Amino acid sequence: EPEVTQTPSHQVTQMGQEVILRCVPISNHLYFYWYRQILGQKVEFLVSFYNNEISEKSEIFDDQFSVERPDGSNFTLKIRSTKLEDSAMYFCASSVGDGGFLDTQYFGPGTRLTVL
Amino acid sequence: QQPVQSPQAVILREGEDAVINCSSSKALYSVHWYRQKHGEAPVFLMILLKGGEQKGHDKISASFNEKKQQSSLYLTASQLSYSGTYFCGTRLMDSNYQLIWGAGTKLIIKP
Repeated sequence: EPEVTQTPSHQVTQMGQEVILRCVPISNHLYFYWYRQILGQKVEFLVSFYNNEISEKSEIFDDQFSVERPDGSNFTLKIRSTKLEDSAMYFCASSVGDGGFLDTQYFGPGTRLTVL
Repeated sequence: QQPVQSPQAVILREGEDAVINCSSSKALYSVHWYRQKHGEAPVFLMILLKGGEQKGHDKISASFNEKKQQSSLYLTASQLSYSGTYFCGTRLMDSNYQLIWGAGTKLIIKP
């Protein structure tokens, strides 16, 4: 069964450094998402991406964040200058994006980001 | 805007039943239920659309009360594998694809 994959599984970085989290969505999916989950808390929406542009973004997704689909398979989340509060599990998700509200989002295993 | 889930946590003995609720103050188009086990990604369970439909999968079912803007997840004859945190994700009538997530309900099943 096709699945969303994410790399790395765990990233440790120093405050102020740039990090890039990578995701490979399911191949026939057109909508991609990034979510964040701080340890023990709820999942928070960051951004959705469709047709090579941001579709929606939350208040969390400020100028420090950017997303890109650099090639036909990868979908990346870049944090330019990491802060301690960016430490969280970051989930990538994808959906078929067929325009219907039955569109189901499938999640990757997550990347645990630790900012020191 | 965030849906309210209740209860926050529930502890059951294997074989007992549980109900988890997800309520919104805004008009919903759909409610998506996910289960997340510790250290893992959320796994999709089912979608409920407006219209009051009910869905089921094995011994897990859900309903959507459009009048109350509330969805309920029913777990009957719970199994140890049901343990985890259950999240509802809501899609608003005036939204695009964004899912707004509840805070989660932690379910612990004891043998």
